[in-house]
Amino acid sequence: DAGVTQSPTHLIKTRGQQVTLRCSPKSGHDTVSWYQQALGQGPQFIFQYYEEEERQRGNFPDRFSGHQFPNYSSELNVNALLLGDSALYLCASSLGRISQYFGPGTRLLVL
Amino acid sequence: QQQVKQSPQSLIVQKGGISIINCAYENTAFDYFPWYQQFPGKGPALLIAIRPDVSEKKEGRFTISFNKSAKQFSLHIMDSQPGDSATYFCAAALSSGSARQLTFGSGTQLTVLP
Repeated sequence: DAGVTQSPTHLIKTRGQQVTLRCSPKSGHDTVSWYQQALGQGPQFIFQYYEEEERQRGNFPDRFSGHQFPNYSSELNVNALLLGDSALYLCASSLGRISQYFGPGTRLLVL
Repeated sequence: QQQVKQSPQSLIVQKGGISIINCAYENTAFDYFPWYQQFPGKGPALLIAIRPDVSEKKEGRFTISFNKSAKQFSLHIMDSQPGDSATYFCAAALSSGSARQLTFGSGTQLTVLP
């Protein structure tokens, strides 16, 4: 049983560009959450998707948007990249409110 | 009110010793408290979790102690091993309908010396 998978593993972009990150949840899970983890810090909640809708959102600007597909996979889009967006982006999946399981993350570097 | 404060920032323990990591929270609406273990270059892995109506939960060498009145909880790792060397995060969850949002502490880097 594959766990949570994310792609790509690493990404380098320049300021002002746009990026799309992808996540496939663990088999049987229907909820996907996205987190941003800056170096040396704990993950920070970006938003959560359930039934293809954004259910909760953390304190992140509208430059961060997402989508969930009918097969429960999800995308995170970030527009107008800033240097401060450099971080590890983590996807976590769960069955509703039950425990969240994290993927390996996508390391984004903005130059 | 959404913060979770974690201490210590780093911890060095001898093999076989007990590692203790503490967390405190303010928001009494938090209803689920998981601990995650993260190795370099990997995503956080769920270790153990507790609900606020339980004072202690043990799974193998890992124990969560929960003090609801003090709004504090801690992770105890018994018989610590070098393979336990990792960063540990406490978290607190706020549930709303079908959604659950995790707020993480700042992490504790544990080093277990052989």
